[in-house]
Amino acid sequence: GESVGLHLPTLSVQEGDNSIINCAYSNSASDYFIWYKQESGKGPQFIIDIRSNMDKRQGQRVTVLLNKTVKHLSLQIAATQPGDSAVYFCAEWAAGNKLTFGGGTRVLVKP
Amino acid sequence: DAGITQSPRHKVTETGTPVTLRCHQTENHRYMYWYRQDPGHGLRLIHYSYGVKDTDKGEVSDGYSVSRSKTEDFLLTLESATSSQTSVYFCAIRDLRGGTEAFFGQGTRLTVV
Repeated sequence: GESVGLHLPTLSVQEGDNSIINCAYSNSASDYFIWYKQESGKGPQFIIDIRSNMDKRQGQRVTVLLNKTVKHLSLQIAATQPGDSAVYFCAEWAAGNKLTFGGGTRVLVKP
Repeated sequence: DAGITQSPRHKVTETGTPVTLRCHQTENHRYMYWYRQDPGHGLRLIHYSYGVKDTDKGEVSDGYSVSRSKTEDFLLTLESATSSQTSVYFCAIRDLRGGTEAFFGQGTRLTVV
């Protein structure tokens, strides 16, 4: 598959443990923040979003936290599985309907 | 994959030649986007379209042009390809009625030699 990123920060996690992926954003005017997952050779896939007036949102095995004071976004994955191995990107919708991506984190799940 | 088809999937071209990448959707979504993805840079927006014949620039638009003559097709053209445009190109679509989710195609790997 396509090489997604040779210089990405990597998070190694044991199967079954929880994962926490962090992201710093710069645009305080963004309406929504989103997490995407990208597997090798594929396009990014939507995981979960959070509106800018919220601080926490939960999905299936995932939780997104938003701290607007320090402009920080995190994605927590519960009971990490081998299928969670991928590159994770935070992104934000800003004015003009532009989706802007952060740099990405590679998650490696060890059996 | 949400009715998005990118073509070609792979292309090798020579420096200075024109190249056109095609994104075709069957979802009738209003918004369409072109991104490039390079190691260490994540995904960067090249151009996007908010309707037929309505387009706008992204953060890395130099050297690229786009056209959208009908809802289902969004074309990205490199007028004179350079080695710095070697990348993986992704198309995305979004319908405002569908919330914040943008759907991505499988990507086109372009190599300029």
